[in-house]
Amino acid sequence: DVKVTQSSRYLVKRTGEKVFLECVQDMDHENMFWYRQDPGLGLRLIYFSYDVKMKEKGDIPEGYSVSREKKERFSLILESASTNQTSMYLCASTLGYEQYFGPGTRLTVT
Amino acid sequence: DAKTTQPTSMDCAEGRAANLPCNHSTISGNEYVYWYRQIHSQGPQYIIHGLKNNETNEMASLIITEDRKSSTLILPHATLRDTAVYYCIVRSPFTGGGNKLTFGTGTQLKVEL
Repeated sequence: DVKVTQSSRYLVKRTGEKVFLECVQDMDHENMFWYRQDPGLGLRLIYFSYDVKMKEKGDIPEGYSVSREKKERFSLILESASTNQTSMYLCASTLGYEQYFGPGTRLTVT
Repeated sequence: DAKTTQPTSMDCAEGRAANLPCNHSTISGNEYVYWYRQIHSQGPQYIIHGLKNNETNEMASLIITEDRKSSTLILPHATLRDTAVYYCIVRSPFTGGGNKLTFGTGTQLKVEL
């Protein structure tokens, strides 16, 4: 079975902190994605990557950056966390037509 | 990306067929229709996808109209475990291959006894 894991299920950080969210997939997938999910807004794409060291902005990249140094790992970075970044963050990977999602990280910024 | 429109919520009796509609009137000729679902506190899960023809797998059936402007996901015998948010998505290709998916707010399906 494909497995996409995320470093934490729940995270609480303070405003201004630098936050790293890690995602690892074990199926040698080329494409990886970061979404955030908020009530009433559905899933929104933040960044995606289609190869190591390659990244593309999604629909809402402001306030975020990403890193893909190895194929299996895609990191989302909040350079200076703000309260409006409190959300559920979902990572996904895909080789073909099916995206596989991780369990999500619920981040609270206080 | 082609926009999709789905009802906010639907109810279904357990054991009956659940028919979830989706409108995608601006879909392009090479865009696929995908369905995912998200059970509470989990990541979304792929269900099925199609281009023109109707599709069926072990989870569901997908009926796409001839003009491709709408589709229906059918869960033939809904169970309580099918209670979830169902997303209808039109796939946009991007450079490098793979899939970029634009999720809407989906349909909350509630299956009841």
